[in-house]
Amino acid sequence: AQSVTQPDIHITVSEGASLELRCNYSYGATPYLFWYVQSPGQGLQLLLKYFSGDTLVQGIKGFEAEFKRSQSSFNLRKPSVHWSDAAEYFCAVGPITGANNLFFGTGTRLTVIP
Amino acid sequence: KAGVTQTPRYLIKTRGQQVTLSCSPISGHRSVSWYQQTPGQGLQFLFEYFSETQRNKGNFPGRFSGRQFSNSRSEMNVSTLELGDSALYLCASNSGGAKNIQYFGAGTRLSVL
Repeated sequence: AQSVTQPDIHITVSEGASLELRCNYSYGATPYLFWYVQSPGQGLQLLLKYFSGDTLVQGIKGFEAEFKRSQSSFNLRKPSVHWSDAAEYFCAVGPITGANNLFFGTGTRLTVIP
Repeated sequence: KAGVTQTPRYLIKTRGQQVTLSCSPISGHRSVSWYQQTPGQGLQFLFEYFSETQRNKGNFPGRFSGRQFSNSRSEMNVSTLELGDSALYLCASNSGGAKNIQYFGAGTRLSVL
């Protein structure tokens, strides 16, 4: 069965510091992988996606993620966090065939302190 | 290009009532997926519609239903509301194809009293 684990429920970083949010997945094959961000009371905004090819993917707002097959991980990184990055971040996996539904992790809430 | 539009943004209902939520996908997208988001259960897939047909369904009771119209707009309906149905309901517009991308609306916040 497919699953996504985000081990960190809440992370606090200082503005300007680097950030890494962890995501591990369990899937029968190499899945499609996504990171979304959600601000309070809002929907989900796609940050980046991985389908195949280069394992380091670039996204919007200066975010990047690296797919590591051997570790079943897809961690999100940003070299310098801005106060506006405070939000909840969700990792998701999608099937490579058939249905259009995603399996989401439980999310990591990011707090940015000045 | 307009994004995904969900209406209404907020709803307050009482137990036993029914509710209908609406979603207009991105122009040209033919598939819509619905999710329920709660603090306890997180994001859970409800169902997907493609070309007016339900193509995929999550593990929710029959009180949750949906439909899709010929213009790809979709509605979901919850009958006999329970307190536990209070949630943010998110609609995703599917880009389609093998490398599908989901674009989400702002959601409808449903409160059941």
